[in-house]
Amino acid sequence: GEDVEQSLFLSVREGDSSVINCTYTDSSSTYLYWYKQEPGAGLQLLTYIFSNMDMKQDQRLTVLLNKKDKHLSLRIADTQTGDSAIYFCAISGGSNQGGKLIFGQGTELSVKP
Amino acid sequence: NAGVTQTPKFQVLKTGQSMTLQCAQDMNHNSMYWYRQDPGMGLRLIYYSASEGTTDKGEVPNGYNVSRLNKREFSLRLESAAPSQTSVYFCASTTTGTGWSYEQYFGPGTRLTVT
Repeated sequence: GEDVEQSLFLSVREGDSSVINCTYTDSSSTYLYWYKQEPGAGLQLLTYIFSNMDMKQDQRLTVLLNKKDKHLSLRIADTQTGDSAIYFCAISGGSNQGGKLIFGQGTELSVKP
Repeated sequence: NAGVTQTPKFQVLKTGQSMTLQCAQDMNHNSMYWYRQDPGMGLRLIYYSASEGTTDKGEVPNGYNVSRLNKREFSLRLESAAPSQTSVYFCASTTTGTGWSYEQYFGPGTRLTVT
């Protein structure tokens, strides 16, 4: 079946850039997502990218997609302590597949002042 | 709009007890989902319902049943709880088909401990 892999932890200093990486196996994934989970809360969609795109930028967030290597990354510029959270990569085959999401394990981002 | 609501927020069960987790959404979404979250494993799909009256198994359905009561409500039932079902359970919803919004909206979660 489909698999999504992320490293479990990342620690950065406030003001630095953070890069969270994700690899996946299902080349038919049409939509790729980054969700954020703050402690004790549900998941909040940060951004998503279509499989026919290479890059998407949204304020401090940059998403890069390398379809050949099945690699997705999320870059957070000027990381703040408020960015400390768990970040999940997720893939979907789209509405035709019921809109189901397959998640990675989540990367816990720790931002040190 | 309340979005996706879940009850209860916390629950402790003894092995063998049963309970139902409730989920409701007020966004007129046709599709609803139940996931469980375990440390180091991300979220895994238990069951989903693409529309009122239909339900399908996800990746980890064993030990669970679901009911799509109406368009708004989707419940998850543990008939005989086991310690392996200790987890955080999330409900989510979205519109699939015409008007798909690409985003799943998540509830705040139910933290379940089975002793």
